[in-house]
Amino acid sequence: AQSVSQHNHHVILSEAASLELGCNYSYGGTVNLFWYVQYPGQHLQLLLKYFSGDPLVKGIKGFEAEFIKSKFSFNLRKPSVQWSDTAEYFCAVNARNTGGFKTIFGAGTRLFVKA
Amino acid sequence: DADVTQTPRNRITKTGKRIMLECSQTKGHDRMYWYRQDPGLGLRLIYYSFDVKDINKGEISDGYSVSRQAQAKFSLSLESAIPNQTALYFCATSDTGTGGYNEQFFGPGTRLTVL
Repeated sequence: AQSVSQHNHHVILSEAASLELGCNYSYGGTVNLFWYVQYPGQHLQLLLKYFSGDPLVKGIKGFEAEFIKSKFSFNLRKPSVQWSDTAEYFCAVNARNTGGFKTIFGAGTRLFVKA
Repeated sequence: DADVTQTPRNRITKTGKRIMLECSQTKGHDRMYWYRQDPGLGLRLIYYSFDVKDINKGEISDGYSVSRQAQAKFSLSLESAIPNQTALYFCATSDTGTGGYNEQFFGPGTRLTVL
């Protein structure tokens, strides 16, 4: 069965620290990869996505992610976090399976940035 | 103006009651989804619909049913609510896109409490 693992459930950083959130998936076929963000009290919104091409993708608010196919990974990074980045981050994988297309979400990582 | 709306936003009900959560979208998307979000578990797919005549079970459909009344409307019902259905419920939509892959757009969520 397909699965998505996010390694850290809670991360606490100080402003200006660098961020890397891990995401690994289990699926051997072609996938499309997403990071969504949920700010406190808000709904999920897309941060960035990878469909094909350059495995280093850039999203909104200075976030980027790198798809490493050999490692089944799609880690999210930001060089310098801000207090406003406090949110929950979800990795998601969309892949074709026998039932059609399905998106699987990771359990999420709660990021708290200290001012 | 919100593209994906959910009603109600909050609901408290008692065990055994029938509850309906409604979702409407103005994005013109064919695909609609219902998820529940629980702390530490991320988003889990309850049901999804790729068009008005297509309804599919997700990973946790037991105890739930859905109705796709129109392209723009997708309702989730709990026939007999139980306390472990207390959660945050999200509706989402997506376009068909190339190859069937595309980002999802989420509603604001419905916080349901079953006493």
